[in-house]
Formats: sequence, C-alpha cells, structure tokens
Amino acid sequence: EVQLVESGGGLVQPGGSLRLSCAASGFTFSDYWMHWVRQVPGKGLLWVSLIYSDGSGTNYADSVKGRFTISRDNAKKTLYLQMNSLRAEDTAVYYCVRDSRYSPDCWGQGTLVTVSS
Amino acid sequence: QSALTQPRSVSGSPGQSVAISCTGSMSDIGGYNYVSWYQQHPGKAPKLMIHDVTKRPSGVPDRFSGSKSGSTASLTISGLQAEDEADYYCCSYAGSYNWVFGGGTKVTVL
Repeated sequence: EVQLVESGGGLVQPGGSLRLSCAASGFTFSDYWMHWVRQVPGKGLLWVSLIYSDGSGTNYADSVKGRFTISRDNAKKTLYLQMNSLRAEDTAVYYCVRDSRYSPDCWGQGTLVTVSS
Repeated sequence: QSALTQPRSVSGSPGQSVAISCTGSMSDIGGYNYVSWYQQHPGKAPKLMIHDVTKRPSGVPDRFSGSKSGSTASLTISGLQAEDEADYYCCSYAGSYNWVFGGGTKVTVL
C-alpha cells in the first residue's frame, strides 16, 4: 500500500523558516516524480513544486519561487520542502503527492503550516 | 498561471446525474490530455478519481466518468449516492512542468 507521511509543520513567525518532510513507503520512491501541493483551510488546492525522480530537475509556482526549495533523498525515501522567508499567505496544509505520468495520484494526509506572529 | 474555473456548487437527488465543468485555456486543458479529478471529504486528503481525462483508477466506481471538449473538461457522476457528497477539484498539466488546479466544486446530495 502506498503511504506518504508528512511531518514538520507548525507555527512559525513571518520571515521565519521551516522544513517539511515526507516519508514514502509501499512503492519504489526513486522511480517517481513528486509534488508539494498546499491548501488554505476551507479553500482550494494550489500546486507548489515538483521534483524529478532523480532530483535533477525542479520547478516552482511563481508565488514561492526563490523562497522554497524542494529536494529528495532516494536512499531514505524522503521528500523535503525547505521554506524560507515565510509569509502569512503561506499558511496552509501542505500535501506530499506522488506523480504518475503528469497526474498527481497518491496524496499524504498533509501537515499544517501556520505563519503568524 | 490562473486557476481553472469550476462552478462553486452543484446538487442532485440520489440516483440522478450531475456534471461538473472545469474551464481552462489552450495553455492547459486545451493543450494536453493530462486532466485529473479529485474528491475531497471534509478533513481528508484529496483522492484521485479520474486521470488522463477519462481513465478511472482501480477501485473508483464506474459511475464516475470524465470527458473533455476543447479547453473545458467535465466530471460526471451518474447514479448519485450519499457518499458522493464532497468537494471535487480538477487539475491540468500546464506545460513547462507546471500544474494548475480548479477552485473546487461542492457537490450536495439532496
């Protein structure tokens, strides 16, 4: 069974940093692209970032470019999202999502990030 | 990249059919056959219901179907059931390793 378990969310002050992790199991992690998608509570989904299966390529939504960095450790089967210069509008549930041929398919349960003073 | 456009809500009685539209542009829906649909119940993670415009993952009931015409995709739920009451989101590949989601549609079973 595919499992994606996010961790690392919490309360952080504006301008602060946080690193999210996503532990994968139940599939060959190194074969898949991976996404981060976020959702403001009560609002819609927003694609945040993508990383290639071997980590050689990444892309970001304009709203986080230059502030967020996606990375992965295939040996540890773990996906990361380093978030710097956090703003109130970054407050959301962050989901780790596996990609299957240009379609995000399997989702973790999410981790809540709250940016507030 | 602008969000895809979905109706805020649709409703139907048990057994009826409802359709949810998702309108984009030639830069996303119209340019690629990589449209997916997700069901999200309150407090839960989204679940993939349709991918590649029309394909159903294993375990998804066949009352869920997808289609596309031009830059508009649609999800149809036939034989609406109480457990189908949820939020539904469309998503499209938008080129250059970007993806875009719709704003979401709340389906209410009357």
